[in-house]
Amino acid sequence: QKEVEQNSGPLSVPEGAIASLNCTYSDRGSQSFFWYRQYSGKSPELIMSIYSNGDKEDGRFTAQLNKASQYVSLLIRDSQPSDSATYLCAVKVDRGSTLGRLYFGRGTQLTVWP
Amino acid sequence: EADIYQTPRYLVIGTGKKITLECSQTMGHDKMYWYQQDPGMELHLIHYSYGVNSTEKGDLSSESTVSRIRTEHFPLTLESARPSHTSQYLCASSEQGGAYDEQYFGPGTRLTVT
Repeated sequence: QKEVEQNSGPLSVPEGAIASLNCTYSDRGSQSFFWYRQYSGKSPELIMSIYSNGDKEDGRFTAQLNKASQYVSLLIRDSQPSDSATYLCAVKVDRGSTLGRLYFGRGTQLTVWP
Repeated sequence: EADIYQTPRYLVIGTGKKITLECSQTMGHDKMYWYQQDPGMELHLIHYSYGVNSTEKGDLSSESTVSRIRTEHFPLTLESARPSHTSQYLCASSEQGGAYDEQYFGPGTRLTVT
């Protein structure tokens, strides 16, 4: 079982719509969760981090965490063509010798069409 | 946000050559990481370091070595490049003791071994 699972998509939404990206993780003891955006040919860019159950909002982005269900999501409101990218979910796992490392999902490719 | 630099950005080299990929960061982060990423695939951790003179292997046996003689510098060396090493190599860093361990990535090195 992979540590982090994402629906690889692709996800396609019209401009102005809400894009919903989902991620599940396997280690129930995980405490820190991150969303990265990666444009084609570029390196990942951190856009959101969340540590407590519930919602965290930053501009058009909202991260949602449900530790009981081991589920984290990212909502992008008023989607823009510039949001078209691959979104990576990452989970921090503290376990034995791997203290503090991140496990990444394969990413969900999002396309926002005008 | 960390300032993290990688050189070279692109490298085409022949089989059997020795390669060193450079990574430097100016934020004083104690933790540094090397990831390998093929197109459309997840990031794989190949080496990490929690401080000077501390290095550990990650998940991927890439036949590479790293060193951490200075906090800001974390070079990756391939003793004998092979076509299977063709990939994107990403360096990242995070703050030791940071509650959230947010990792910031450099721009990457795209390596092609012919």
